[in-house]
Amino acid sequence: EAGVVQSPRYKIIEKKQPVAFWCNPISGHNTLYWYRQNLGQGPELLIRYENEEAVDDSQLPKDRFSAERLKGVDSTLKIQPAELGDSAVYLCASSPRLAAYSSYNEQFFGPGTRLTVL
Amino acid sequence: QKEVEQNSGPLSVPEGAIASLNCTYSDRGSQSFFWYRQYSGKSPELIMSIYSNGDKEDGRFTAQLNKASQYVSLLIRDSQPSDSATYLCAVNLPYDYKLSFGAGTTVTVRA
Repeated sequence: EAGVVQSPRYKIIEKKQPVAFWCNPISGHNTLYWYRQNLGQGPELLIRYENEEAVDDSQLPKDRFSAERLKGVDSTLKIQPAELGDSAVYLCASSPRLAAYSSYNEQFFGPGTRLTVL
Repeated sequence: QKEVEQNSGPLSVPEGAIASLNCTYSDRGSQSFFWYRQYSGKSPELIMSIYSNGDKEDGRFTAQLNKASQYVSLLIRDSQPSDSATYLCAVNLPYDYKLSFGAGTTVTVRA
C-alpha cells in the first residue's frame, strides 16, 4: 500500500512570495490533516478535512494561509505571502476513518515539505 | 499547562539496555494515545497505539497506559543504535478529534 505522498520535498523562497504544497493521502483514507512542525517541537494541526469538508481550521492563519480538497482526495495548502516565521516542515497526514466516528483514529504521515523563507 | 508533556532528553542508553520514555497529559477525557518515532530530517512514523489501561507489547516496544494518573509510557527493550531518534507522544483530545503532540524525547543509543 502506497503511503502519503507530498510534494515538493524542499522549497526555498523569498519572503512575500507565494508557495503551495500538495498532498495525496493513502488510498481510501477519508480524513486528511495538514500540520506544521517547527524545529524541536511536535506537529501542530493547521486544518483537518473529512472528505472534501474542512471541519477544523481553527489553527489556520487565514489571512495568509488557504487550503482546499476539492474532490475529497488530494489537497493543496497555500501560503501567500510567505513570512520569515513560516519556515518549518509542513506535514500531511491521513486517517482511514472519519474522526467523528472514532477517537481511535491512527494518523499516518507523509514525508513532509521543508520550507525555508529567506 | 501544556496538553501533552514529555521530557525533552536527550536520553542516552547503552546498546542492549531498556529505554524508558514518559508522557503526561492534561485532559482526563482523552481516549487514545500514540507513540511516533521521528528520525532526524524525516517525518513521524507511528509505532504504537494504546487505548486501554495496562500494557501493550509489539516486538521490542511496550506501551503502558494509566488513565487515572494521566500517564503513558514507552519502553524500548534491547535498544539498538537504529532506535536513536526522537519519540513523540500524541494524545487524541476528547470532543475535538485531533491529536495533540508533545515536543518529543530524543533517544541516543550508544554502541
